[in-house]
Amino acid sequence: SQKIEQNSEALNIQEGKTATLTCNYTNYSPAYLQWYRQDPGRGPVFLLLIRENEKEKRKERLKVTFDTTLKQSLFHITASQPADSATYLCALEMGSWGKLQFGAGTQVVVTP
Amino acid sequence: GAGVSQSPSNKVTEKGKDVELRCDPISGHTALYWYRQSLGQGLEFLIYFQGNSAPDKSGLPSDRFSAERTGGSVSTLTIQRTQQEDSAVYLCASGRSQPDTQYFGPGTRLTVL
Repeated sequence: SQKIEQNSEALNIQEGKTATLTCNYTNYSPAYLQWYRQDPGRGPVFLLLIRENEKEKRKERLKVTFDTTLKQSLFHITASQPADSATYLCALEMGSWGKLQFGAGTQVVVTP
Repeated sequence: GAGVSQSPSNKVTEKGKDVELRCDPISGHTALYWYRQSLGQGLEFLIYFQGNSAPDKSGLPSDRFSAERTGGSVSTLTIQRTQQEDSAVYLCASGRSQPDTQYFGPGTRLTVL
């Protein structure tokens, strides 16, 4: 299976700044990669999906990039707000249709 | 519409007892997944159901764990002879047949004393 690495340290950022999270993986390149948000005591919520032939995907203040050469995805939150504070998980397709492997997540804390 | 529901929301049991966790997926979703999340950890894949195909059980940690999906809808995860290391949040997710998002339930927090 894949080894998926996400920043284990919390990312503390000031409101209005851009938060950038990293997801690195080893072994095979997945056909697609997803990012989820998880709040304490809740299940993850889907944010974005990016396919291997896409370099970048945007949704409102969120942007995801996917570099299959570097085996890396970057997740950006622009103009961050305190409501963006949560843990963000990357998830890679595991070679079986629909099956995902999740990273451990990176906690983001946005302070006013 | 209704999302994925799980019951119970919390379960406290004694070591050695059996427990059953229930998941009601979103209507029409053919794919159903079970994950386990220990405190401060990522999601650990357990089992995957897709339509009428044989389930992918490759993530089940031991033969004490089993799951069923009846009528292509409701699923039950059973843990026999529970151990303290089974304490975790068990999350269920459902999705459509195409590569797509997974819609998660709120989870069941299992505590084994």
